[in-house]
Amino acid sequence: KNEVEQSPQNLTAQEGEFITINCSYSVGISALHWLQQHPGGGIVSLFMLSSGKKKHGRLIATINIQEKHSSLHITASHPRDSAVYICAVRGDKIIFGKGTRLHILP
Amino acid sequence: DVKVTQSSRYLVKRTGEKVFLECVQDMDHENMFWYRQDPGLGLRLIYFSYDVKMKEKGDIPEGYSVSREKKERFSLILESASTNQTSMYLCASSSGQPQHFGDGTRLSIL
Repeated sequence: KNEVEQSPQNLTAQEGEFITINCSYSVGISALHWLQQHPGGGIVSLFMLSSGKKKHGRLIATINIQEKHSSLHITASHPRDSAVYICAVRGDKIIFGKGTRLHILP
Repeated sequence: DVKVTQSSRYLVKRTGEKVFLECVQDMDHENMFWYRQDPGLGLRLIYFSYDVKMKEKGDIPEGYSVSREKKERFSLILESASTNQTSMYLCASSSGQPQHFGDGTRLSIL
């Protein structure tokens, strides 16, 4: 079993839909990161969380330490949100999830 | 099967009244949502909640508030109803994708 599991692996949605990407982990962590990678582009750090939630524009990241679970929400999704979203946890080492490929249709 | 239940299918209220729309889901979903649907405008997110007592404003929160005291129940409150809040209101719940919708409440404010 992977120590960091993301779901779904792939997601296609219509523009405007509310998007939720989930990340569950099984190890003790000090922080969790949400990253975004556009096709052909580099990786951008969206959020670093250790508790509660963070918000930036249409993106909201939440973490539940007790349940070892984090969600990335995108409100009013837009085709430019199409990217791979990666969850990474930092404990003794950094462990990456396999990513969620999101495609927003116009 | 996921069941999302909205308390009323049709509701008629008067301007200035405080209106409560209730929604209950039976799948232990973390996320719950309130939308309104108007002709030509599609679904617009009013508020959503990602955990008990947690809420986030959506695209059109003005004139509304919400309450999530228990995980299964998400209430939408019109503090002082106005005629421009006449609409179809839809509740949804999810643990990710997809969202599961209730049957809707058609609210008329006279």
